Amino acid sequence: DTAVSQTPKYLVTQMGNDKSIKCEQNLGHDTMYWYKQDSKKFLKIMFSYNNKELIINETVPNRFSPKSPDKAHLNLHINSLELGDSAVYFCASSQGGSGTGDSLLMSNQPQHFGDGTRLSIL
Amino acid sequence: AQSVTQPDIHITVSEGASLELRCNYSYGATPYLFWYVQSPGQGLQLLLKYFSGDTLVQGIKGFEAEFKRSQSSFNLRKPSVHWSDAAEYFCAVAPQYNNNDMRFGAGTRLTVKP
Repeated sequence: DTAVSQTPKYLVTQMGNDKSIKCEQNLGHDTMYWYKQDSKKFLKIMFSYNNKELIINETVPNRFSPKSPDKAHLNLHINSLELGDSAVYFCASSQGGSGTGDSLLMSNQPQHFGDGTRLSIL
Repeated sequence: AQSVTQPDIHITVSEGASLELRCNYSYGATPYLFWYVQSPGQGLQLLLKYFSGDTLVQGIKGFEAEFKRSQSSFNLRKPSVHWSDAAEYFCAVAPQYNNNDMRFGAGTRLTVKP
């Protein structure tokens, strides 16, 4: 009964390919995230979705496209993979945030993380 | 925007010794503050969090952290370290009322000597 689950755990592929990483949470949270952790362990937020609506979209290449079919899922699709995309990608979820700029609800719930997907580009 | 600095990239302590991991944040108001731990090959686990109230926060696994507004710090402490505490530790900050926008420090790797 894993709270935040990502698949696959490991992904090895060649440059130029298109791949997807799936994330599901069973915590009933309304907000989900994708983070990238580089080889130096630095964690950087990529995207955040609240109730299927994109609320944070950091400066990432547009080859990365998140898709949220429902509030329990946030998948990450990556086109034309490059060597620099090699990293560990973490999905997370939390409860809170209204998703609109001027009416953010107070939220004091922490984010829960999946175990990560290690992406290696050959 | 908020940011976090963890000045120590790597710390080594002996088992049974006390531990303090430093975290400094930059933000215009009092933020939400977190400490997460990442064991090798694992995801991040929340150790503790500060939102408001008592500035000394107790967490899991015997960890505690103290929020010091005057120093913009949120240092993590443990009185007696166990070998199983060896891991990467991340401090994180989010604006109040918006935990969506959480930013992490670069992490501190803890090695525990027998």
